[in-house]
Amino acid sequence: EPEVTQTPSHQVTQMGQEVILRCVPISNHLYFYWYRQILGQKVEFLVSFYNNEISEKSEIFDDQFSVERPDGSNFTLKIRSTKLEDSAMYFCASSERLIWGYTFGSGTRLTVV
Amino acid sequence: DQQVKQNSPSLSVQEGRISILNCDYTNSMFDYFLWYKKYPAEGPTFLISISSIKDKNEDGRFTVFLNKSAKHLSLHIVPSQPGDSAVYFCAASGANSKLTFGKGITLSVRP
Repeated sequence: EPEVTQTPSHQVTQMGQEVILRCVPISNHLYFYWYRQILGQKVEFLVSFYNNEISEKSEIFDDQFSVERPDGSNFTLKIRSTKLEDSAMYFCASSERLIWGYTFGSGTRLTVV
Repeated sequence: DQQVKQNSPSLSVQEGRISILNCDYTNSMFDYFLWYKKYPAEGPTFLISISSIKDKNEDGRFTVFLNKSAKHLSLHIVPSQPGDSAVYFCAASGANSKLTFGKGITLSVRP
């Protein structure tokens, strides 16, 4: 069964450093997303991406965050200068159609120290 | 901002019995509802969905019921199996594809 692949599974970084979280969505999917879940809290929407541009972003997704689809397969989330409160599980997801059951990746656990 | 609420943090049921997981929402613009299941160290897995034009959708052991007037939906699992033990998230979507999740409920199915 096709799956969304995220790397790395766990990333530890120092506060103020830049991190790039990587995702390979399912190949025929057109809509891409990043969500995050802080420990013990809800899964929260960060950003959606379609047709090589951001279609929607949340308040969390400030200027420190950016997304890119550098080639036909990868979808990346960059955090420019990490803060302690960025520590969370980050999930990438993709879907074939708008408003459809997404397929999520297994997540990247980001720990900012 | 709790637009999607799952008020019970946990539920424990006996194997073979019915599990009923509840979810309430406040935003009347939501028109598509989904349930996701999540195991530790994995991403959420899509389980079943329902659009606001329906009041019931069934897929094998899983049935989702939607009561629009009460802004309430529920997931029924019958019969429950130990492998169903996981965290279940209710999610809702409006005109865009952004999902708003509830906090999740931990289901434990006792053998």
